[in-house]
Amino acid sequence: DQQVKQNSPSLSVQEGRISILNCDYTNSMFDYFLWYKKYPAEGPTFLISISSIKDKNEDGRFTVFLNKSAKHLSLHIVPSQPGDSAVYFCAASGTDSWGKLQFGAGTQVVVTP
Amino acid sequence: EPEVTQTPSHQVTQMGQEVILRCVPISNHLYFYWYRQILGQKVEFLVSFYNNEISEKSEIFDDQFSVERPDGSNFTLKIRSTKLEDSAMYFCASSGRGNQPQHFGDGTRLSIL
Repeated sequence: DQQVKQNSPSLSVQEGRISILNCDYTNSMFDYFLWYKKYPAEGPTFLISISSIKDKNEDGRFTVFLNKSAKHLSLHIVPSQPGDSAVYFCAASGTDSWGKLQFGAGTQVVVTP
Repeated sequence: EPEVTQTPSHQVTQMGQEVILRCVPISNHLYFYWYRQILGQKVEFLVSFYNNEISEKSEIFDDQFSVERPDGSNFTLKIRSTKLEDSAMYFCASSGRGNQPQHFGDGTRLSIL
């Protein structure tokens, strides 16, 4: 099942710089998108979400951008901090199946001093 | 901050045995979910539950699996006659409404021997 794809398995970024994580989807019925962060031995932690009626949502250092025509979303983290080192998952759900989150494979982010 | 709690953190079971994974969702949440993550694979949806019945289930959630909300606080996943391929991390999640972010517990690592 490749409905949600995160094509970059890893990302290394310097502390203080911007982290940009990307996610693509194929299902045109998806209308709600979320980003989760996961540390080892913990569950996914909700970061930020966006519905398809918007193209941008911001919460502190985190901004999610949605490009519906390209079926693409991205997460920007500015500025990146060492505590941001984690695996980031993109997830999506649709009007026909709102409770069923489809996850991407995740991107491992490492923030270096 | 309210959180989803799962017990046990690690369960080791012989193949063919029954196992019950337990979850306490966030107290005012109404929607409950189970997901699993096999090592090296994506997080996969198993089932959603609302108003004391299953809302949706994936093709993974066959007759071997069942869910229950036995009281006002617990939400359980039962796996009958476990198989080696049931070894995975099982995550419970809850949300206030169906189209609100799902909040995850830290998971139960299930090892089938």
